[in-house]
Amino acid sequence: AIQMTQSPSSLSASVGDRVTITCRASQGVRDDLGWYQQRPGKAPKLLIYAASTLQSGVPSRFSGSGSGTDFTLTISSLQPEDFATYYCLQDYNYPRTFGQGTKVEIK
Amino acid sequence: EVQLVESGGGLVQPGGSLRLSCAASGFTLSNYWMAWVRLAPGKGLEWVANINKAGTEKNYIDPVKGRFTISRDNAKNSVYLQMNSLRAEDTAVYYCVRDVSPSQSTRYYDAFDIWGPGTMVTVSS
Repeated sequence: AIQMTQSPSSLSASVGDRVTITCRASQGVRDDLGWYQQRPGKAPKLLIYAASTLQSGVPSRFSGSGSGTDFTLTISSLQPEDFATYYCLQDYNYPRTFGQGTKVEIK
Repeated sequence: EVQLVESGGGLVQPGGSLRLSCAASGFTLSNYWMAWVRLAPGKGLEWVANINKAGTEKNYIDPVKGRFTISRDNAKNSVYLQMNSLRAEDTAVYYCVRDVSPSQSTRYYDAFDIWGPGTMVTVSS
C-alpha cells in the first residue's frame, strides 16, 4: 500500500496566518490526491481533489498544489473556523490511503 | 436535502458480527460509487472499502478482506457493510461516503463530497 506522510503532525497558528501542510507519498501518485478537513465530533469535509481543484463552496483561501510524490495544502489567511485536523488521501491505486493527519491549533 | 445516514453500530464482543446500513436521500444512489471510511479513537481516518455503481466491483483494505463485505441496493437507496469476526482494532466511527468521481481530461478522481454523521462500532468483551 502507498504510504502517505504528512508534516507537521500538528501546528499552532494565529488567525490571519498563512499555513502550509505537506503530504508526501511513498511512490508517485500523479495528481490523484485530495484534502479533507475534520473538525472535532464532525464528519470530514472535502476541500480539494485532483491535487489542486477546489471543491464547490470551499473558500478560496484554501489551495492545493503538487504532483507525483509531494503535495501542499495552503490556507492563505487562517480563520477561526479553520482550526481542525487536515488529511490527504491518495486515490491513485487500491487501497486508498490517508495521511496521518495534521492538527491545526490556536496559538 | 442530499444526505447519508448510517445505522447499525453498537457494542459487540470480539468475534461477533454487525451489519451497518447507510440510507441515502436527495440524490439517485445508482449514479455514484460509494465507500466506507472509519476513524478509530485517537487515530486518523482510514479508508475501508468501496463499491461501484452497479455493485459489481468492490475493493477493501487488507485487514478487513474476508471479514467485511460491502454491498448496495440501489432500489432501496441503501449501502451496507457486513462486518464479521470483529476485532478490537475494528472499534471506530464508521462513515458512509458518496464519491462524486469528477472527471478531468478523461481521467476520474475520488472526491468524497457527502459524508454521513457516522455510527460508532465498539468491539469489546
